[in-house]
Amino acid sequence: EAGVVQSPRYKIIEKKQPVAFWCNPISGHNTLYWYRQNLGQGPELLIRYENEEAVDDSQLPKDRFSAERLKGVDSTLKIQPAELGDSAVYLCASSLDGGNTEAFFGQGTRLTVV
Amino acid sequence: AQTVTQSQPEMSVQEAETVTLSCTYDTSESDYYLFWYKQPPSRQMILVIRQEAYKQQNATENRFSVNFQKAAKSFSLKISDSQLGDAAMYFCAYRRRYNTDKLIFGTGTRLQVFP
Repeated sequence: EAGVVQSPRYKIIEKKQPVAFWCNPISGHNTLYWYRQNLGQGPELLIRYENEEAVDDSQLPKDRFSAERLKGVDSTLKIQPAELGDSAVYLCASSLDGGNTEAFFGQGTRLTVV
Repeated sequence: AQTVTQSQPEMSVQEAETVTLSCTYDTSESDYYLFWYKQPPSRQMILVIRQEAYKQQNATENRFSVNFQKAAKSFSLKISDSQLGDAAMYFCAYRRRYNTDKLIFGTGTRLQVFP
């Protein structure tokens, strides 16, 4: 069974440019998470979806970040415009509904803003 | 708010020896999960071991075991018979026992394994 797939693996952009990350969760997983991991830190949640609904986006900087999960499967995270401080690893994870479930992570996208 | 603290930025161990990574957390909840994740250079977070707060028995997974002290809010990871492949970043994480709530991570411990 395929795991969580993310693309691209690496992205280098100039500041003020837009960028988008894509995530395909494990088949059948209703919950999808986007985390940001700054250098030397643990991941922090940006947004959590239950199917198509964003149920926790309190940590998403809404002035420049947006996300969508059409049809409750794939998800896209966008930054426009990017700032130098957005350089980080963006991790996607998915899990089944229910309280006793494990979150499975993708390999992340390393974003460098120059 | 819940917090997770890992006070050891780096640890090292010789192959075949045992090493213990420390983690403390703070929460007012009584029912939750605690996890140890491994992050190799590939960046993918891999679950090592999970502990349910309502269980008194410490979790074990092959060479990995935890020492869960609920009253002290301490959750350490012991790696026995360390192998070169164990070298990675290790993150302690907390999650409320509520549907599929978010994970709250510590800052990580880099483990080096020497032959």
